[in-house]
Amino acid sequence: NAGVTQTPKFQVLKTGQSMTLQCAQDMNHNSMYWYRQDPGMGLRLIYYSASEGTTDKGEVPNGYNVSRLNKREFSLRLESAAPSQTSVYFCASSDRGQGELFFGEGSRLTVL
Amino acid sequence: EDQVTQSPEALRLQEGESSSLNCSYTVSGLRGLFWYRQDPGKGPEFLFTLYSAGEEKEKERLKATLTKKESFLHITAPKPEDSATYLCAVLTYSSASKIIFGSGTRLSIRP
Repeated sequence: NAGVTQTPKFQVLKTGQSMTLQCAQDMNHNSMYWYRQDPGMGLRLIYYSASEGTTDKGEVPNGYNVSRLNKREFSLRLESAAPSQTSVYFCASSDRGQGELFFGEGSRLTVL
Repeated sequence: EDQVTQSPEALRLQEGESSSLNCSYTVSGLRGLFWYRQDPGKGPEFLFTLYSAGEEKEKERLKATLTKKESFLHITAPKPEDSATYLCAVLTYSSASKIIFGSGTRLSIRP
C-alpha cells in the first residue's frame, strides 16, 4: 500500500524561485494537511483541507498557497522562495479530520 | 490561542529505566489528544488517541494518560528501539479538522 506519497523528496532552490510540492493519498481520506518541521519547533501546520473543495490556513500560511486538486491530491506552492522556507515538509491525510494522521516520508527543501 | 507544550525537550535513559513524557495543553474545547512517534528521516507514526480526562491507552511498553490539563506518555522498562521523537497533538472543537502539534521530546535509550 502506497499510503501518502510526496514528491519531490529533495529540492534545492534559489531565493525567488517557485516550486510546487505534490502530495497524493490512496486511502480515500477526506482531510489533507501540509506541515513544516524545523529543528526544535516540532510540526507547524501550514494549510489544511477538511474536505475536497475547501482549504484553510494553519499556523504559518504566509508565503505558501495550496490547491486541493481532487480528493486524492493536495499540492503546496511556494511562489517566491525565501531562505526562511528551508525546512522539511510533510503531507498528511486523515479520515473526516480525525486525529489519526497518516504522513508521507517528507520533502526536504533548501532555499539558498 | 490553542497551545501545546511538551517537556522535556530531550531525555536520555538507560535501558530498563522507566520514565514519563509530558504534554500540557491550553485549548478551547478538546476533541482529542494524540501521540505520535517519529524516527529520524521519517514521517510521524500514530500511536494513541485520548478523548476524555481519565482515559488511558496502552501499547507494549507505552501507556498514555489524560487529565484536563495534560497528558503523559509513560515508558516502562524501555529498550533501545524505543529511541525516537515523541510528539503530541490536539484537535479542538473550535477549529474543525485543524490538528496542532507540540515540539516533541527526543528520547534516547542507552543499552
